Amino acid sequence: KAGVTQTPRYLIKTRGQQVTLSCSPISGHRSVSWYQQTPGQGLQFLFEYFSETQRNKGNFPGRFSGRQFSNSRSEMNVSTLELGDSALYLCASRTSGTSGETQYFGPGTRLLVL
Amino acid sequence: GQQLNQSPQSMFIQEGEDVSMNCTSSSIFNTWLWYKQDPGEGPVLLIALYKAGELTSNGRLTAQFGITRKDSFLNISASIPSDVGIYFCAGGTGNNRKLIWGLGTSLAVNP
Repeated sequence: KAGVTQTPRYLIKTRGQQVTLSCSPISGHRSVSWYQQTPGQGLQFLFEYFSETQRNKGNFPGRFSGRQFSNSRSEMNVSTLELGDSALYLCASRTSGTSGETQYFGPGTRLLVL
Repeated sequence: GQQLNQSPQSMFIQEGEDVSMNCTSSSIFNTWLWYKQDPGEGPVLLIALYKAGELTSNGRLTAQFGITRKDSFLNISASIPSDVGIYFCAGGTGNNRKLIWGLGTSLAVNP
C-alpha cells in the first residue's frame, strides 16, 4: 500500500505570495490532518478534514485554510505569506479518526518564505 | 499552542549504550504515542500506549504509560547508529483527533 504523499517537497516563496500544498492519503483513509513543524515550536496542529468537512482546527490565523476532495485528497493554502510561515508542513492520514487509530505521516513540504 | 514537556532536549551517546527519554504534562491523556523522525522525512510511529500503566516493547524500544496518565517514557536499549533521529512524544485525549506534541529529543549515536 502506498504511503502518504505530499507535493511539492520543497517550495520557495516571497512574502505576500500565497501557496497551495497537496496531500494524498493512504488508500482507504478518510481523515487527513495538517501540521506545521518548526524547530522552536515543534509540531503544531493546523486542522483535520474528514469526508470533505473540517472536523477540528488548531490556533492558526485565517490565512491558513484547507479543503478535502471526494477522493480524500487534501490541499492546504496559506495566503499573504509571512517570514514566520517558513516551516515543514506535514500531512497525516488515518482511517476515520476515531480513538486509537494511528496517524501515518507523509514526508512533508518544506516551505521557505523570503 | 499547548505542548508536552519532553526531556532531554538532546542526547549524544556511544553505540551500545541505553537511552531513556520522557514526556510529562499537567493534563491527563488517554493515549501516549512515540514517533521517530529522520531528516527530511515525516514522523514514523514507534509505539502506541492506550492504558495507564501499560508497558509495551517494539524490539529494542520499550515505552510506558504513566499511572497518573500525565507522563510516559521511552527506553532504547543497546543503541545503534541508525537510532539517530528526533524522537517525539504525543498525547491524545478523547478520540485523539488533536494530538499534543512534545518538542522532541534529538539523539546522536557515536559508532
